[in-house]
Amino acid sequence: AQSVTQPDIHITVSEGASLELRCNYSYGATPYLFWYVQSPGQGLQLLLKYFSGDTLVQGIKGFEAEFKRSQSSFNLRKPSVHWSDAAEYFCAVGLYNQGGKLIFGQGTELSVKP
Amino acid sequence: DTGVSQDPRHKITKRGQNVTFRCDPISEHNRLYWYRQTLGQGPEFLTYFQNEAQLEKSRLLSDRFSAERPKGSFSTLEIQRTEQGDSAMYLCASSIQGEGNIQYFGAGTRLSVL
Repeated sequence: AQSVTQPDIHITVSEGASLELRCNYSYGATPYLFWYVQSPGQGLQLLLKYFSGDTLVQGIKGFEAEFKRSQSSFNLRKPSVHWSDAAEYFCAVGLYNQGGKLIFGQGTELSVKP
Repeated sequence: DTGVSQDPRHKITKRGQNVTFRCDPISEHNRLYWYRQTLGQGPEFLTYFQNEAQLEKSRLLSDRFSAERPKGSFSTLEIQRTEQGDSAMYLCASSIQGEGNIQYFGAGTRLSVL
């Protein structure tokens, strides 16, 4: 069965420090991969996506992610975190042969220390 | 492009009552999805429409749940005889079939069943 694992439930980083959020997926083919961000009480905003091609993808707000097929991973990175980045981050797999529905990980909550 | 709109934003109801939520997708999007998100978890797929046809329903969608998209535009999600376990955030997303099927989310409807 398809699944997404985000091993870190909660991460705290200092403002200005680098960030890496981990995501591993299980899927029988090359999936569509997404990272979304959710602020408290809000819907989800798309940060970036991977469909094919260059395995390093750039997104909004200075985020990037790297697809590693051999590790079934799609980790999210940012070189310098800002206080406004504090939020919940979700990795998702898009099942293009099942109507494109998304399978989400349980999320990683990011806190930023001043 | 006004984004995906959901109404109401918050709903408080008593156990056993019926509730209905509405989702207005981005106008040119032909696919519409419903997800449910409980506290501390990622969103879980409930159902999706392609135009007016409901093409898949999750096992999470019990007989008390029904969704419609009568004219292929807005959609409604009704829960009959609500239970406390129905308390969650209900998220709607829309997309264009193809183009990577990127889903854009509304702000959600938070349901509290007392």
